Amino acid sequence: NAGVTQTPKFRVLKTGQSMTLLCAQDMNHEYMYWYRQDPGMGLRLIHYSVGEGTTAKGEVPDGYNVSRLKKQNFLLGLESAAPSQTSVYFCASSYGTSRSNEQFFGPGTRLTVL
Amino acid sequence: AQTVTQSQPEMSVQEAETVTLSCTYDTSESDYYLFWYKQPPSRQMILVIRQEAYKQQNATENRFSVNFQKAAKSFSLKISDSQLGDAAMYFCASSYGGATNKLIFGTGTLLAVQP
Repeated sequence: NAGVTQTPKFRVLKTGQSMTLLCAQDMNHEYMYWYRQDPGMGLRLIHYSVGEGTTAKGEVPDGYNVSRLKKQNFLLGLESAAPSQTSVYFCASSYGTSRSNEQFFGPGTRLTVL
Repeated sequence: AQTVTQSQPEMSVQEAETVTLSCTYDTSESDYYLFWYKQPPSRQMILVIRQEAYKQQNATENRFSVNFQKAAKSFSLKISDSQLGDAAMYFCASSYGGATNKLIFGTGTLLAVQP
């Protein structure tokens, strides 16, 4: 049982390049989330999904797109990377049947945009 | 709008002593949950404790307990018998968005444990 995994762990991009971050969970969770963590700002929600085939915007969605084609996977895409997207990205998942549900986090991806 | 405020960027405690981390929040939700997450240097986010807002009884998990004051919108974390492994960044979070179970986080408190 690997929990929540994220690929890759580190990445350096040049401004204007695109990339996709992959999140996978093996706990059969319904809900999945993408956050970014910046120094002094805590974690902020980018996009989330409440089930396969669904996605919705969070607090800071601009410049990102997501897809949830399979229940176990949640992809975060950057179409044209900007230096402001330099951050640590976390994926999380939860059962989603109750607001008390813990969100389980992946190990994070450190992205640097030059 | 939902907000979570952690006013202590850094705290320090001696090993075996007790420390309290502060958190205040504001929410328009009638039913919500509050959480404390720990982030050690490994970067992995780990749930420490959760509190159901409709329960008056404060949650406790071994050496970790909370002081939940709903009217004051305050949710502090007390760590008793501090251990070196408790050194980490601690984030307070509040759920919102009804059944979507979204979380809004505070900016964190970096806890150092002195031997």
